[in-house]
Formats: sequence, C-alpha cells, structure tokens
Amino acid sequence: QKEVEQDPGPLSVPEGAIVSLNCTYSNSAFQYFMWYRQYSRKGPELLMYTYSSGNKEDGRFTAQVDKSSKYISLFIRDSQPSDSATYLCAMEGAGKSTFGDGTTLTVKP
Amino acid sequence: DGGITQSPKYLFRKEGQNVTLSCEQNLNHDAMYWYRQDPGQGLRLIYYSQIVNDFQKGDIAEGYSVSREKKESFPLTVTSAQKNPTAFYLCASSIVRGGLNEQFFGPGTRLTVL
Repeated sequence: QKEVEQDPGPLSVPEGAIVSLNCTYSNSAFQYFMWYRQYSRKGPELLMYTYSSGNKEDGRFTAQVDKSSKYISLFIRDSQPSDSATYLCAMEGAGKSTFGDGTTLTVKP
Repeated sequence: DGGITQSPKYLFRKEGQNVTLSCEQNLNHDAMYWYRQDPGQGLRLIYYSQIVNDFQKGDIAEGYSVSREKKESFPLTVTSAQKNPTAFYLCASSIVRGGLNEQFFGPGTRLTVL
C-alpha cells in the first residue's frame, strides 16, 4: 500500500467552478503537507504548504489538513482555464518527502 | 535569474547505451535530487545529495549513477542496466525555510529509449 494516495482524476470542470483535490496518507510522521502544480512538460512548482493540521488560504486556493483523519485537501475557488494542470500532493516528515500520483485538472472556458 | 537548468530537454537513446542528464543550479543550495516521473504517477526518488562529494540512493537507484563534484552540478547517468529507462526525469534542489525542506524543480528531461 502506498504511503500517499491521491484521487486519480482526471477532473474536468467549467470555468468558475469550485474544485476539490484530495489525498490520504498513512505515515503519522508527516508534518508538512504541500501542494505542487505541474503544467504539461514542465517541472512542478510549490503552490502552498501547511504545517500540521488546519487551513491555509492564498487567494483562490485553500489548503486543508486533518491529521486525525490523515486527509488533506486543496480547494480552488472560481477556477480559471489557467488553473488547468496536474496537481501533486506531497508530504514531508522523518527526513523524507513523498509525493502523490497527481490529479490532472482541466478547466473549460 | 536564479534557478535550475536541465539539459537536454529531449533525449533519445538506443538500447544498451549509457546516457548522462545534466542538472545545474545557481541557487546556492546544498541539497540536490533526481526524480523519475512516469505517466499518471508521482515522483520517485532516484538519488539525492546533501553536500558536495556525498550522495545517497533513493527508492529506485538501480541502473542509475550520479556524481556531485561541484555544489552547482548533479549529473545523472542512466546506464544500460536500467531495464525501463523511458521516462521524464526531474532534478531539484532544496533549502530549509520555516522548517520546510522546500524543493525547487528544473524543467525536466524527457528520455526515450528506441
């Protein structure tokens, strides 16, 4: 069983929709929870991160961590065509980072 | 501009040949990493280096080799022993900020074995 499981997608939504991307994990040592965005044929870039449980908001993006359920989410409000990309969750703890398989999102105009 | 460069962007290799992928960074980061990404899959760690002249195997090191002779450079060699080398290869460097080991990725090299 993988340490990090990510909803596989792909996900296709109309412009303006609210998007929810989700991951679960099994390793209790994870302390930092990250979301990366990867455009086609490019390297991933860090979108936002959260330490331990709680919510963090950055513009249209909200990251949510529930350590009791070992569940993390990324919400995108008012989604735009420019948000079309693959989103990777990642978790760090005990000296290592582990990535999810990614969810490919397409936002249609 | 500070960043990570990888070359070439696309690489074609015949079976049985070794090939070296270049990774250079001017961010003055100590740590560097090599990942492999297959379609629909996440990043799998091949090798990493915390400091010059030192490196450790990641989860899928078999068939790969690295060197770290300079802080700025971390080349990856894909050897003929790697059974399924066709993939997208990503290099990264990192710095600890606010407790997080923040990784910065290069644009990647797509390797195809013919």
